[in-house]
Amino acid sequence: DQQVKQNSPSLSVQEGRISILNCDYTNSMFDYFLWYKKYPAEGPTFLISISSIKDKNEDGRFTVFLNKSAKHLSLHIVPSQPGDSAVYFCAANPGGSQGNLIFGKGTKLSVKP
Amino acid sequence: EAGVAQSPRYKIIEKRQSVAFWCNPISGHATLYWYQQILGQGPKLLIQFQNNGVVDDSQLPKDRFSAERLKGVDSTLKIQPAKLEDSAVYLCASSSSTPWNEQFFGPGTRLTVL
Repeated sequence: DQQVKQNSPSLSVQEGRISILNCDYTNSMFDYFLWYKKYPAEGPTFLISISSIKDKNEDGRFTVFLNKSAKHLSLHIVPSQPGDSAVYFCAANPGGSQGNLIFGKGTKLSVKP
Repeated sequence: EAGVAQSPRYKIIEKRQSVAFWCNPISGHATLYWYQQILGQGPKLLIQFQNNGVVDDSQLPKDRFSAERLKGVDSTLKIQPAKLEDSAVYLCASSSSTPWNEQFFGPGTRLTVL
């Protein structure tokens, strides 16, 4: 049973436009959410996070929105650049004393010049 | 600052053989994680260490998988004997503290079991 779901396996966007990646979760006890970016043959790298007490966090071109009532978060990339082409993973921290992350299956973003 | 190091990067073995992966976390990071990423899936936690003690190994198939972190630094993950379904990328990550902090991932070891 997947607790973190990324229902779009892939997304294609034109350079300069907005990319919106979506993520849904089932466990209302999750207290922290993160987005990781992964290039082929590399490990995931941390991109941006949001605490469950906030509804928005912004870092440069990247903004994460959290809608707790809908158990939904999204990552917005504006403007999208070809170097953003990668697999994006949504992850959640279950809270408590454990720091492990529960990951979604990922969304492959392709930004076309 | 050096990142998380893993070796080997690639490994091909036959089923029922044994294999071991090595991880060297970022210096000073107390927490170390091993994740398994099967093709088309997100990483799944296998085991989490805090220094050299196990915090969570609930998803580690203990009949064939084992892991240790001697002296609270390097870690090894072993599979014995390997099955076809163990084909995956094995990712090591480290962080400076719990309950949560940014996890830094190594490049992973791609295991193919034939």
